[in-house]
Amino acid sequence: DTEVTQTPKHLVMGMTNKKSLKCEQHMGHRAMYWYKQKAKKPPELMFVYSYEKLSINESVPSRFSPECPNSSLLNLHLHALQPEDSALYLCASSPVVLAGDEQYFGPGTRLTVT
Amino acid sequence: GIQVEQSPPDLILQEGANSTLRCNFSDSVNNLQWFHQNPWGQLINLFYIPSGTKQNGRLSATTVATERYSLLYISSSQTTDSGVYFCAVEASGGSYIPTFGRGTSLIVHP
Repeated sequence: DTEVTQTPKHLVMGMTNKKSLKCEQHMGHRAMYWYKQKAKKPPELMFVYSYEKLSINESVPSRFSPECPNSSLLNLHLHALQPEDSALYLCASSPVVLAGDEQYFGPGTRLTVT
Repeated sequence: GIQVEQSPPDLILQEGANSTLRCNFSDSVNNLQWFHQNPWGQLINLFYIPSGTKQNGRLSATTVATERYSLLYISSSQTTDSGVYFCAVEASGGSYIPTFGRGTSLIVHP
């Protein structure tokens, strides 16, 4: 099974809401990633978890809070977002965070902040 | 950091045509992947190709690591090939952070 799943597919939230994005993989991968992608731009890395520990945080605002409960699950908690945070949020996984590792992406969650 | 440039930025083809997409990178890499992002946003792995040549059906890719470029060939294009093609590289030196190019947007007309 070479699949990464993400829920929900679409999310509309107000600036005062709290919501969570979920990502799951069953490939036995030990590294998971969150990316943000704006229209007509490449994905931008937000967080990297390796063996359930946060290993890379690309200076993302604190209104985004990642959580990795186990090696198969990755959540992104959202609170007090701004309209400019509207984007496609992509989750990815790879066997480990090592040089030369291949990433597999989920279908993404389209987030609209009103 | 490493720079990744893709060309052309936009490409319009008639169904059945062949095309070549290019990815240039500014430093040595441990990893290079080609992805196809379909109109719904899904990033689909095409090739994991830090060096050498691979083929998968109508698609093939070649990476010449010593000259710091990779090529993606699409033959007999179909309308389902439409979307954005991204090249992503991981620089040597232990950053473990993939850097994406800006992509090539491909439209294939029937």
